[in-house]
Amino acid sequence: QSVLTQPPSVSGAPGQRVTISCTGITSTIGAGYDVHWYQQLPGTAPKLLIYGDTNRPSGVPDRFSGSKSGTSASLAITGLQAEDEADYYCQSYDSSLSGYVFGTGTKVTVL
Amino acid sequence: EVQLLESGGGLGQPGGSLRLSCAASGFTFSSYAMSWARQAPGKGPEWVSTISDDGVGTYYADSMKGRFTISRDNSKNTVYLQMNSLRAEDTAVYYCAKAGGLHTPNYYMHVWGKGTTVTVSS
Repeated sequence: QSVLTQPPSVSGAPGQRVTISCTGITSTIGAGYDVHWYQQLPGTAPKLLIYGDTNRPSGVPDRFSGSKSGTSASLAITGLQAEDEADYYCQSYDSSLSGYVFGTGTKVTVL
Repeated sequence: EVQLLESGGGLGQPGGSLRLSCAASGFTFSSYAMSWARQAPGKGPEWVSTISDDGVGTYYADSMKGRFTISRDNSKNTVYLQMNSLRAEDTAVYYCAKAGGLHTPNYYMHVWGKGTTVTVSS
């Protein structure tokens, strides 16, 4: 199992705001390591959404935002759209494993 | 435009070997670390390995250490993953990625390829 825990699913109506949590431990997010977020649309490769806790790569809408506090991080999607229906994964570094880890993943459903 | 094209996937025998390649274009390859990640059917992504821009630094997930070897040829803009002692649990789609971040432990996967499928079965 992953050391980064996410809720299995979140849902919202179009236009609403949803948040996805990523709970780590003291050797991951709690140690201050950066958190990154990826979006995976069905049948496609993951795509970088947020890097370095809060930064958006060029081309990513500002509806997506990241934050971090203590041993947890969050991804917020505001103005939810049908095209946001996808799986979302957080990623960080684990000093106890000396390697990178992904979260358990969250499926976002647009009602 | 950054493009990453993986190849070399296919059917591997338990205990056997496969070599994956990833041909990169659209950026200065020798200036970036490169990573491999994999995704088993119905599962989330799993980090496999990362190699620094100059090839000196190599990093592996624990379950791959001693079995997988990452390497790169900056003259060919290509990164490789040599997979030995294959196990059924290595069955996955393997993705190559251009790394963001300047050095470990701050690497992330900036741009992903489309992936190549590895199936380990007798």
